[in-house]
Amino acid sequence: DSGVTQTPKHLITATGQRVTLRCSPRSGDLSVYWYQQSLDQGLQFLIQYYNGEERAKGNILERFSAQQFPDLHSELNLSSLELGDSALYFCASSVAPAGSTDTQYFGPGTRLTVL
Amino acid sequence: AQSVAQPEDQVNVAEGNPLTVKCTYSVSGNPYLFWYVQYPNRGLQFLLKYITGDNLVKGSYGFEAEFNKSQTSFHLKKPSALVSDSALYFCAVRDFQGSSGSARQLTFGSGTQLTVLP
Repeated sequence: DSGVTQTPKHLITATGQRVTLRCSPRSGDLSVYWYQQSLDQGLQFLIQYYNGEERAKGNILERFSAQQFPDLHSELNLSSLELGDSALYFCASSVAPAGSTDTQYFGPGTRLTVL
Repeated sequence: AQSVAQPEDQVNVAEGNPLTVKCTYSVSGNPYLFWYVQYPNRGLQFLLKYITGDNLVKGSYGFEAEFNKSQTSFHLKKPSALVSDSALYFCAVRDFQGSSGSARQLTFGSGTQLTVLP
């Protein structure tokens, strides 16, 4: 158990809908990262927050957004969902911002299925 | 831009035999290198990392990895494989000197499915 929690474990929804994925980082970690894992794209970095502020953006679609709250938990919002958004979404956390020697610890993931 | 290649989609090895999972990388600056393992329906678990120093890095569950700068490789090894080692293994690289926050993120390889046969 990495100490990173994600809810829900599974999510099934329809095209055009909006969902919110939640992540709680390990105690003491200030950085939260979101990743998407799909069969065709592999594991892709989406976005990073550090202590409430956006630090870096990767291959995140405009339909997707995220935020990190004062208690350091983070939410990833996915809207206008398409079939191709079906994937496993991981959250990871680390103590420091990216660019350090920090290790990222991953949560168990949320499996999103868009029908 | 940084990149990671895992040239083998699948590696099969007999239990008790040594195993190697290959990884090569490309970065413009000094690399930070990581190995993670993913069991079915689970998140990624950290195995080991190379930051600097000794080229042979020891990690969890008896795994180790050898950093080779001239060959830009970071192969994962274990002297004696167990059936329970069967999983998906990911190599990742971070460019410490990346020019932006995005450039300093982890880039993952495509993964290698390791199957240890009893």
